[in-house]
Amino acid sequence: KNEVEQSPQNLTAQEGEFITINCSYSVGISALHWLQQHPGGGIVSLFMLSSGKKKHGRLIATINIQEKHSSLHITASHPRDSAVYICVLYNNNDMRFGAGTRLTVKP
Amino acid sequence: DVKVTQSSRYLVKRTGEKVFLECVQDMDHENMFWYRQDPGLGLRLIYFSYDVKMKEKGDIPEGYSVSREKKERFSLILESASTNQTSMYLCASYLNRGDQPQHFGDGTRLSIL
Repeated sequence: KNEVEQSPQNLTAQEGEFITINCSYSVGISALHWLQQHPGGGIVSLFMLSSGKKKHGRLIATINIQEKHSSLHITASHPRDSAVYICVLYNNNDMRFGAGTRLTVKP
Repeated sequence: DVKVTQSSRYLVKRTGEKVFLECVQDMDHENMFWYRQDPGLGLRLIYFSYDVKMKEKGDIPEGYSVSREKKERFSLILESASTNQTSMYLCASYLNRGDQPQHFGDGTRLSIL
């Protein structure tokens, strides 16, 4: 079993829909990081969180340490949100990457 | 804003060549990383460095070496490039504090012919 699993692997949505991407893990962590990678390859850091919830614009990230689960939500999705979203687990200097969720938002 | 700069966006080399990929960060981060990303395999760690002249193997170090002579620069070296090293290579840096994220470069798409 992978230490970190993302779901779904692929997601297609219509513009305006509410999007949820999940990251479940089985190891202890000190923090979890959500990344966004656009088709050109560049990676943008979205959120780094170790508890609770963070919000930035239309993006919301939550984490439940007891349940070992984090979600990334996108409200009022837009075609420019189309990207691969990756969760990364941190534990001291050890990192584990999720396989990514490919999101396509259609106009 | 942290800036992580990779020397090339696209690079084409031939089998057997020695290839250097350079990465520079401007925020005095201790930790720097080299990843490769392949379809269906996600990001995989090749090497990382937590200080000048220090290096640690990641998950897939075979066929690669690294150099960290200065804090801001982390180089990935393919000693004798092979076609299975055709990939997207991403560099990242990270301040050694639990609440700080990694910052990534734009990536280098390397093709070995």
